[in-house]
Amino acid sequence: IAGITQAPTSQILAAGRRMTLRCTQDMRHNAMYWYRQDLGLGLRLIHYSNTAGTTGKGEVPDGYSVSRANTDDFPLTLASAVPSQTSVYFCASSVRQGDLGYTFGSGTRLTVV
Amino acid sequence: GNSVTQMEGPVTLSEEAFLTINCTYTATGYPSLFWYVQYPGEGLQLLLKATKADDKGSNKGFEATYRKETTSFHLEKGSVQVSDSAVYFCALSDRGGTSYGKLTFGQGTILTVHP
Repeated sequence: IAGITQAPTSQILAAGRRMTLRCTQDMRHNAMYWYRQDLGLGLRLIHYSNTAGTTGKGEVPDGYSVSRANTDDFPLTLASAVPSQTSVYFCASSVRQGDLGYTFGSGTRLTVV
Repeated sequence: GNSVTQMEGPVTLSEEAFLTINCTYTATGYPSLFWYVQYPGEGLQLLLKATKADDKGSNKGFEATYRKETTSFHLEKGSVQVSDSAVYFCALSDRGGTSYGKLTFGQGTILTVHP
């Protein structure tokens, strides 16, 4: 089934540890995005990539990094996790920058203790 | 910058009641507007969209009209069902500038429908 796969589904992480959240899509979408969802704040954009080989910063990029080596994969890395990064993380994609429809993954629930 | 404001929840209704979830926006350009729905334990799904003033988006009995004069995109449904229980997000996508193509979300409204 075409779509976005995120892994892991959930994770408990010790503060200070490094963690990579994985996101893979099989729809050949050019644009990909990482959002975090926090109660009362909705979804906030962390990083985005309009096409393979390019990335950009969103609204809340501090403490996170991304790479886009190919069209399908868009991993999100927390270099040194802090409790404020406890959240649900969603990866999304769209056919191209400016396309009106996003496809979302099922999310990764991350708890930093 | 762009922003989206939704009515605060949670909203609790009985089955077959009328639903309105208010959404207003601020945008530097002329945005496209969306409603996304998130069912428990799942990611977000596009519910409906509108790309220009006075457009009405509709899907699964839900409707929303793009009102440029009031910068609003309120979600309505005439008769809700228990299966409509979910979190609803209003969002916009600007057509230009640094925000081009990126969705800005409201804070979400939790809807619970009781039998």
